[in-house]
Amino acid sequence: DTAVSQTPKYLVTQMGNDKSIKCEQNLGHDTMYWYKQDSKKFLKIMFSYNNKELIINETVPNRFSPKSPDKAHLNLHINSLELGDSAVYFCASSPASGTSGGAGQFFGPGTRLTVL
Amino acid sequence: RKEVEQDPGPFNVPEGATVAFNCTYSNSASQSFFWYRQDCRKEPKLLMSVYSSGNEDGRFTAQLNRASQYISLLIRDSKLSDSATYLCVVSPPGDYKLSFGAGTTVTVRA
Repeated sequence: DTAVSQTPKYLVTQMGNDKSIKCEQNLGHDTMYWYKQDSKKFLKIMFSYNNKELIINETVPNRFSPKSPDKAHLNLHINSLELGDSAVYFCASSPASGTSGGAGQFFGPGTRLTVL
Repeated sequence: RKEVEQDPGPFNVPEGATVAFNCTYSNSASQSFFWYRQDCRKEPKLLMSVYSSGNEDGRFTAQLNRASQYISLLIRDSKLSDSATYLCVVSPPGDYKLSFGAGTTVTVRA
């Protein structure tokens, strides 16, 4: 059973397009996250939702908009894609708090976005 | 200064060897510490949490030094399957955010 799933796995698109990435977790976790991992391999937090409420909103362009219809889903919509948006985007989830006494976060398989 | 810094490596070691590496963190109030493992083109996976007194999980030993603000990971009796990038992860108290290092690459050769 997949714990954290993302679709699509690969996304190739032209500059200026709008695209969405979907994430679902079946772990019963309260908190979900979006991370960006660039070519230098740094994982940077973008957003986090706890029970559908936005709790982390890092400095990302407002072309990126997360949406959490329920606590098991967190989608990411990106408007007017730019070359610099090319990266791997990981969704993650965790129990009630980010670190929760050592439980850590569970990551989805990633979405590899390439903007041409 | 980056929040979490790691030696990128690579550490190339023969099977059966012991390899160890550190990571330093800048926020002295950090409270939770982890090592994650990331295989090529895969997602990060939690390897182990790091506790104040140090802890072991099989061939893996993690240590925390709060005074010098670093954590370490030691892998004994390396296996080919240990080849991966090891990410040092730190979280300040009461915060949902995890700060990731850029990773230390370990390659175990036959």
